[in-house]
Amino acid sequence: DAEITQSPRHKITETGRQVTLACHQTWNHNNMFWYRQDLGHGLRLIHYSYGVQDTNKGEVSDGYSVSRSNTEDLPLTLESAASSQTSVYFCASSGSGEGLEQYFGPGTRLTVT
Amino acid sequence: GEDVEQSLFLSVREGDSSVINCTYTDSSSTYLYWYKQEPGAGLQLLTYIFSNMDMKQDQRLTVLLNKKDKHLSLRIADTQTGDSAIYFCAETGRRALTFGSGTRLQVQP
Repeated sequence: DAEITQSPRHKITETGRQVTLACHQTWNHNNMFWYRQDLGHGLRLIHYSYGVQDTNKGEVSDGYSVSRSNTEDLPLTLESAASSQTSVYFCASSGSGEGLEQYFGPGTRLTVT
Repeated sequence: GEDVEQSLFLSVREGDSSVINCTYTDSSSTYLYWYKQEPGAGLQLLTYIFSNMDMKQDQRLTVLLNKKDKHLSLRIADTQTGDSAIYFCAETGRRALTFGSGTRLQVQP
């Protein structure tokens, strides 16, 4: 069965370190998204991609970067982790076209100390 | 302010109906969605409604859309303890989905 996975599920890192969160989907979806979830804010869009080599900034992109070298993967990199980036991170994917369901991964809980 | 607004908490008794409300601001949204998040899990699509519809029913779920007031609601009939979760409404934003902050539904036995 097709799925979307994230790794690691939990990560503790120190301020200033570079961290990469992995997202892998086997739906063969063109669209992939990264969100962060914080209490009282719902999900906020960090970066998104509509296909290979395409990346776009979302609402809260500062301090984050993504790259899309193939259809299946959209890794999220925190260049220099900050305590404000402690959050739960969700990756999602969807097919092309408007109105199609976004499938979410199980999330990565990141703690920056 | 937020593009999509929801109340934060709703408590109901098992067997009662639950109504979760949402207001949005983007009148060009083509689709509006309800997602469910159970503890420790990602979001799962519950249902969606196309913007030219007023109502959609799917088993115990009824979605009502008032485009004039930009108001969306989700009614869960015969609410069960397994319905306890956080419910997010979302609209088709300019780039991707724009989510509300979520409504935590607590179902008391």
